[in-house]
Amino acid sequence: EIVMTQSPATLSVSPGERATLSCRASHRVSTNLAWYQQKPGQPPRLLIFGASTRATGVPARFSGSGSGTDFTLTISSLQSEDFAVYYCHQYNNWPPGSFGQGTQVEIK
Amino acid sequence: EVQLVESGGGVVQPGGSLRLSCAASGFTFQNYAMHWFRQAPGKGPEWVSFIRYDSRSIYYADSVRGRFTISRDNSKNSLDLQMNSLRAEDTALYYCVKDVEGDLTGGFFDLWGRGTRVTVSS
Repeated sequence: EIVMTQSPATLSVSPGERATLSCRASHRVSTNLAWYQQKPGQPPRLLIFGASTRATGVPARFSGSGSGTDFTLTISSLQSEDFAVYYCHQYNNWPPGSFGQGTQVEIK
Repeated sequence: EVQLVESGGGVVQPGGSLRLSCAASGFTFQNYAMHWFRQAPGKGPEWVSFIRYDSRSIYYADSVRGRFTISRDNSKNSLDLQMNSLRAEDTALYYCVKDVEGDLTGGFFDLWGRGTRVTVSS
């Protein structure tokens, strides 16, 4: 089983600031890594796949990077609608794949 | 409108059964693999089951194998999950989810329903 560890658990950021979220895999997953955003009462939304490719309709302020075991999601200038929980998901070992425990991005 | 709408959730006693359904619209359902995921309160999503576009390949999470059965009807654009021998730990919001591909070459998911809640309690 590949364990995905996200850090930090909670990130307090002011609107307009940059947010950097980390995700580490216990084994190499190449670039088979996706990021999802989840707001309260809503299902997850695909943001990034292939570690760095934005999904359709995702604003350019979201960017992903990394390969192997270390990955980063960067939100260049936080907007009010970006405060949410973010999950990384590896699909290199698929099925079952595995999600991280999530990073809560909250308003500072 | 492109959407997935789940139904069939509810409260059931341990050992009981439920059948979840998902109605798909706005895309060519028969071309895509589909999944069920679940999410317990305060937890991340957990993959439950996969079915290939043509139903010729099916997978289950270890936690549900032998108790849950996934199926689809491409003529009706529908996906089902039959859940038997339910346990307290099956309590969660269950999502119907679309894969980006028709088989196992995808592995990430571009459309999620809003979920149907399953509570297993005596």
